[in-house]
Amino acid sequence: QLQLQESGPGLVKPPETLSLTCTVSGGSISSSSYYWGWIRQPPGKGLEWIGSIYYSGNTYYNPSLKSRVTISVDTSKNQFSLKLSSVTAADTAVYYCARFITAAGNFDYWGQGTLVTVSS
Amino acid sequence: QSALTQPASVSGSPGQSITISCTGTSSDVGSYNLVSWYQHHPGKAPKLMIYEGTKRPSGVSNRFSGSKSGNTASLTISGLQAEDEANYYCCSFAGSTTFWVFGGGTKLTVL
Repeated sequence: QLQLQESGPGLVKPPETLSLTCTVSGGSISSSSYYWGWIRQPPGKGLEWIGSIYYSGNTYYNPSLKSRVTISVDTSKNQFSLKLSSVTAADTAVYYCARFITAAGNFDYWGQGTLVTVSS
Repeated sequence: QSALTQPASVSGSPGQSITISCTGTSSDVGSYNLVSWYQHHPGKAPKLMIYEGTKRPSGVSNRFSGSKSGNTASLTISGLQAEDEANYYCCSFAGSTTFWVFGGGTKLTVL
């Protein structure tokens, strides 16, 4: 059974960089059928797609966040990571990592999410 | 404000059917058959319930069904059960610039 687990600091000060890692177990991140993505949910709000990455390193990002987002992959560790720079309180959210099936356009496996609070 | 519009809440009694709408535009829901629906119990990982508008992943109850008309997609849950009480989110492809957009979520209460 595929499992994804987010990890990283729960508190980030503005305007520092938020860094999270998603560890994939029970399957290979190098599978050609999937992208891997980050989604977030601010308190009391809906979900927002942040961006996705292929095992080769090919990425695409939400245009509204593109200038601040970097997603990378480490196939040797079966992990992918998110960096969000110049954070503000508006970036406070539960951050989820998920597997993305490109052909069907859906996120079929998700992590449980990690709350990141941006506060000085 | 989310890109796709969902009702904030819906409710129904056990055994009844409910429908959750997801309204987008001709740039997303109306143009692509790539709408997916997710069930989310707080504190747990979201679960894929419907993909490509109408398809159910293996293991998802056939009480869940999806449809689309114009710029609006819908999720119908029949034979409501207590465990269906959760938040539900829709998601759609929105073209090669915006990519993926979600709805604001709908809280389903089973009375």
